[in-house]
Amino acid sequence: RKEVEQDPGPFNVPEGATVAFNCTYSNSASQSFFWYRQDCRKEPKLLMSVYSSGNEDGRFTAQLNRASQYISLLIRDSKLSDSATYLCVVESWGGYQKVTFGIGTKLQVIP
Amino acid sequence: NAGVTQTPKFQVLKTGQSMTLQCAQDMNHNSMYWYRQDPGMGLRLIYYSASEGTTDKGEVPNGYNVSRLNKREFSLRLESAAPSQTSVYFCASSEAGTVDTQYFGPGTRLTVL
Repeated sequence: RKEVEQDPGPFNVPEGATVAFNCTYSNSASQSFFWYRQDCRKEPKLLMSVYSSGNEDGRFTAQLNRASQYISLLIRDSKLSDSATYLCVVESWGGYQKVTFGIGTKLQVIP
Repeated sequence: NAGVTQTPKFQVLKTGQSMTLQCAQDMNHNSMYWYRQDPGMGLRLIYYSASEGTTDKGEVPNGYNVSRLNKREFSLRLESAAPSQTSVYFCASSEAGTVDTQYFGPGTRLTVL
């Protein structure tokens, strides 16, 4: 089983729609969680951190479910500019830092 | 403030050739990283440097060497390129060694024939 699993998509959604992605992780000792955004042929950029209490940044909401070992990203009122690949990142510390990236979920927002 | 810069942007090598990928950051970060990204796989850490003068292996170090030349620069060397090293290489730097303070460079697309 992969340490971090994501549905690669693509998710094709119309403008204005709400879309949600999940990411599951296998290491129950994982401590920090993040969503990165990567545009086509560009570098990844931090979108948001995921806190135990959940967090919201404008149209984006991230949540963590430790019991089921998954994190989620919800995008409301999708814009064309949201089209990108969203990477799930899990950080764990067990004597040393380990950072694991998911393969990403591709989102295409359609006019 | 350029952030993280990488050279070259593109490179084609023949099997067995060597080359060095350059990376520099102007954010005064202590930690620097080299990743590779392949289709169907997440970014994988090749090597990292927690501070000037130190380097450590990541998940996929075989076939690579690194040099932390100074606080700004971290280079990745392929001594004898193989087709399996065809990939997109990203350099990153981090203020505190944590994911949420990590900034990536624009990447180098390497093809080994």
